[in-house]
Formats: sequence, C-alpha cells, structure tokens
Amino acid sequence: DTGVSQDPRHKITKRGQNVTFRCDPISEHNRLYWYRQTLGQGPEFLTYFQNEAQLEKSRLLSDRFSAERPKGSFSTLEIQRTEQGDSAMYLCASSFGTANDEQYFGPGTRLTVT
Amino acid sequence: DQQVKQNSPSLSVQEGRISILNCDYTNSMFDYFLWYKKYPAEGPTFLISISSIKDKNEDGRFTVFLNKSAKHLSLHIVPSQPGDSAVYFCAANSGYALNFGKGTSLLVTP
Repeated sequence: DTGVSQDPRHKITKRGQNVTFRCDPISEHNRLYWYRQTLGQGPEFLTYFQNEAQLEKSRLLSDRFSAERPKGSFSTLEIQRTEQGDSAMYLCASSFGTANDEQYFGPGTRLTVT
Repeated sequence: DQQVKQNSPSLSVQEGRISILNCDYTNSMFDYFLWYKKYPAEGPTFLISISSIKDKNEDGRFTVFLNKSAKHLSLHIVPSQPGDSAVYFCAANSGYALNFGKGTSLLVTP
C-alpha cells in the first residue's frame, strides 16, 4: 500500500453541476478525514469517519456537501449545485484512530468551478 | 477564528544554516502538535510531532520545541538543504480534527 489516493486529481465543472470525489485510505487505517484548502490558507477540517460511521459533520460547509464511507474503506465527498466559491483543493487523510496519531494525506483533488 | 497562527508567511535561509519556523496557538486544550511539509500540487506530508507532556522532540535534522506557558512551538531544521524548500504547516490536534496555521514558505538557497 503506497498511501492515500484520491481521484480525480483535477476537476473542472460549471456552476450548478454536482461533483463527486473519491478517497482510498491506507488500508490498515480506521479513520478517514476530509479537509478543504483554499489559496493562502491551511487545510480546513470538514468531516471524518471512524470505520463507516460519520462521527463529525457539523463543519461541512453547507448542506450541499455530503460524504459517505459505506463499507468503511473508500469514501466519497459530493458537492451539489457547485458555486464558484467551492473552488479549492479537497484533501483526504487517514489514520489508525488511536490517541495522538498522525494523519496521512492524499495528493488532493483540485476543483475549479467556472 | 484562527486558533493556530504562523505569523511569518515566508522565510529565506542559506543552505547549511538553521531554519526556525514559529507557530503560536490560542487554545490551551490542545495537547498534540504536528508539523507538515507541503510541495506544490501534493498533499501535506507529516514531518514530526510533539505531545504536550514533552518540550522537545527530535528526528534527524528536525527538532520541534514546545513552550506550553507561551503557547508557542517552533520547528528547527539543521542543517537546511535546498530540498527543504516547501511550505510548512503547524497543526494542533483537537481530538480528531487538525487545526492548521496558514503556513510558512521556506526557501533554502544554495
């Protein structure tokens, strides 16, 4: 296993369209996280899963954002009715889920909404 | 509300010298801190971490210092190498979410 992978790496979409991103975590990791990074900022936490359970989703940016991890392995992040302000890098990370463990990040999906 | 602050957007250091990157935090409940390095078009890469029960952690050329009373930590890179040129993010773990600073762009010149 070479690390966290994300697909696609780049996505260009028109305003109003729906987009879905996929994340495959490191296979031994129980926790999976989604972050968003905009220009000049550090990554901003969105949501996370412990196995298939979504334990925190209050920081998803709006009700247009949703995430799933149906079988506790890969996860998807969907943005409905995209807006230009959604343009950002969407990062996925995974960890073992023990106290004070490191999160390992994927390469990210760069979303551009035109 | 930015709970983790990196007040220096950029730093330039000569190869072989020490690089010192600083980070301040406001939430005294934070007890685990991490440094990540990020190259363009890549995700952040974990570098080194420190628990609040320690005041120093060392890994090769990288050392992180934590001053809990001042709510301040710093990353020292000795000696700096051109391949260290990247953006460095400080992060504090609040149990599950990492709270990141805005990053410091380090340039190591030959």
